[in-house]
Amino acid sequence: EDKVVQSPLSLVVHEGDTVTLNCSYEVTNFRSLLWYKQEKKAPTFLFMLTSSGIEKKSGRLSSILDKKELFSILNITATQTGDSAVYLCAVGVGSNYKLTFGKGTLLTVNP
Amino acid sequence: DAGVTQSPTHLIKTRGQQVTLRCSPKSGHDTVSWYQQALGQGPQFIFQYYEEEERQRGNFPDRFSGHQFPNYSSELNVNALLLGDSALYLCASSFAGTAEAFFGQGTRLTVV
Repeated sequence: EDKVVQSPLSLVVHEGDTVTLNCSYEVTNFRSLLWYKQEKKAPTFLFMLTSSGIEKKSGRLSSILDKKELFSILNITATQTGDSAVYLCAVGVGSNYKLTFGKGTLLTVNP
Repeated sequence: DAGVTQSPTHLIKTRGQQVTLRCSPKSGHDTVSWYQQALGQGPQFIFQYYEEEERQRGNFPDRFSGHQFPNYSSELNVNALLLGDSALYLCASSFAGTAEAFFGQGTRLTVV
């Protein structure tokens, strides 16, 4: 059975801190790994990673994939209260790219 | 460009009833997937539709069925509702053969 595990499950930091969110996976027929931010309802797309070792960046967020060790990290630097959300990691599996999600990491950024 | 839209946003149903949820994909997308997200959990894959056919199905009973229309919009039907069906139902659209999926706001279903 395909499995995606995220850690930590929750995290509380102060504004300005840097955080690292982890995602490990065990799946058959890996195609891609995606990160989403979920604030209220709709998960918002952040990154899609398909190749090992290539960092993707968007502003204060960055992510990298290690296909040998089967994990990815999402870094957020200089956190702001607006970064408070659940961060979901999903792995696209098979030719149809079915997404298997982890439980998410609840990030709370306090002022 | 409208993103993925879902209706209704909230719904309250009684056990045993049937419900239909609707999804319009992002413009140009031809593939629609449905997910169920229970409180405190990640979304769980229900099924995926492409070219008006169910292409792949997750581990959900036959009470969950769907449909895709020629304009790529989709419906999720759930029969004989159980209390455990209470969840956020998310629709995601994508281009066939690609991984980048965009989600709608979801429908919050409460079964009482």
